[in-house]
Amino acid sequence: ILNVEQSPQSLHVQEGDSTNFTCSFPSSNFYALHWYRWETAKSPEALFVMTLNGDEKKKGRISATLNTKEGYSYLYIKGSQPEDSATYLCAFVGSGTYKYIFGTGTRLKVLA
Amino acid sequence: DVKVTQSSRYLVKRTGEKVFLECVQDMDHENMFWYRQDPGLGLRLIYFSYDVKMKEKGDIPEGYSVSREKKERFSLILESASTNQTSMYLCASSYTGNNEKLFFGSGTQLSVL
Repeated sequence: ILNVEQSPQSLHVQEGDSTNFTCSFPSSNFYALHWYRWETAKSPEALFVMTLNGDEKKKGRISATLNTKEGYSYLYIKGSQPEDSATYLCAFVGSGTYKYIFGTGTRLKVLA
Repeated sequence: DVKVTQSSRYLVKRTGEKVFLECVQDMDHENMFWYRQDPGLGLRLIYFSYDVKMKEKGDIPEGYSVSREKKERFSLILESASTNQTSMYLCASSYTGNNEKLFFGSGTQLSVL
């Protein structure tokens, strides 16, 4: 059974703080790693799809890095704002499969 | 913008009832998925479909079936609802290819009493 783990499970930060979370996944048979943001009462939305070792993606104040050899990805938020409060999910996609294996998510609360 | 629409936001059913959860997408996506979300667990795949009338079991298909008669619509069926099927159900769709991002519906919170 493939295991995708995210840490921490939840996080409270002050407005303006920078923060980061981790997604760990199997290092073998890697095809892609996805990050999604899920705000309360809304649909999860894709942030990044990463496929290459060493990949770095950026969208505004949010960025992500990927290390496929050791099986982890980091998501960084610079200068957190209350609107960043959400659950952040990562999903591992193995080669030759349609299955996206999701982690349990990191719940971020940004305090004003 | 891609739209994935789930028919109900909240649903309350009794044990033993047959339950239909409907999902419609408007972007001509080939792939459609049904997940459930439970506290402390990641999104778990119930079924997915990569074409009309095609379906594949996910990780937790027991107690569920699906129907995809048209490309835009993917239905999840609980043949005889049980209390352990109380959950948040999320539908998603994507273009073909296994590194395509998923577009999600807003979810259906199903309570089985």
